[in-house]
Amino acid sequence: AQSVAQPEDQVNVAEGNPLTVKCTYSVSGNPYLFWYVQYPNRGLQFLLKYITGDNLVKGSYGFEAEFNKSQTSFHLKKPSALVSDSALYFCAVRDPYTDKLIFGTGTRLQVFP
Amino acid sequence: NAGVTQTPKFQVLKTGQSMTLQCAQDMNHNSMYWYRQDPGMGLRLIYYSASEGTTDKGEVPNGYNVSRLNKREFSLRLESAAPSQTSVYFCAGGGRINTEAFFGQGTRLTVV
Repeated sequence: AQSVAQPEDQVNVAEGNPLTVKCTYSVSGNPYLFWYVQYPNRGLQFLLKYITGDNLVKGSYGFEAEFNKSQTSFHLKKPSALVSDSALYFCAVRDPYTDKLIFGTGTRLQVFP
Repeated sequence: NAGVTQTPKFQVLKTGQSMTLQCAQDMNHNSMYWYRQDPGMGLRLIYYSASEGTTDKGEVPNGYNVSRLNKREFSLRLESAAPSQTSVYFCAGGGRINTEAFFGQGTRLTVV
């Protein structure tokens, strides 16, 4: 069955330090993976996606994500965190056969000055 | 070009009342989705529609019905609202399988 796991409810990091938000997935067939961000009282905004090709994908606001097929992971990263990156981050997987789009439970990123 | 539009933005219902949440997209997307967001639970898929004329259950369909009226519109109906349905509801539209979905701004529903 299709599923997404985000093992950390919250990630705390100091401004200027690198950050990683973890995501693992399960899906039949080739995975279509996405990261979204949600700021308070807002809808979801797309950050980046992995469809095929290079395992390191780059997205908006300096974020990137590393796809690892053997570990079924798609971790979100940023080399230098900003206080303004503080938000709720969601990983998602789209099933290529059913078109179902499933999200993880979200990880709250807190960047401290 | 409004993207994905949800109405209403806020709603308070009494237990047992019914209502329909409306969603419309102007991006010519084949797929549309309804989610609910609850603290600590993330976004959970209620129903989705992979194309006009089809609908399928998601992770938490009980207590809800949907209608894909046409390619643009995908409505979510609560026939008899319960306090457990208090949540923020999001609609999304998705294009080809390798593209991202776009979300509406959400409907905050409170059932008292």
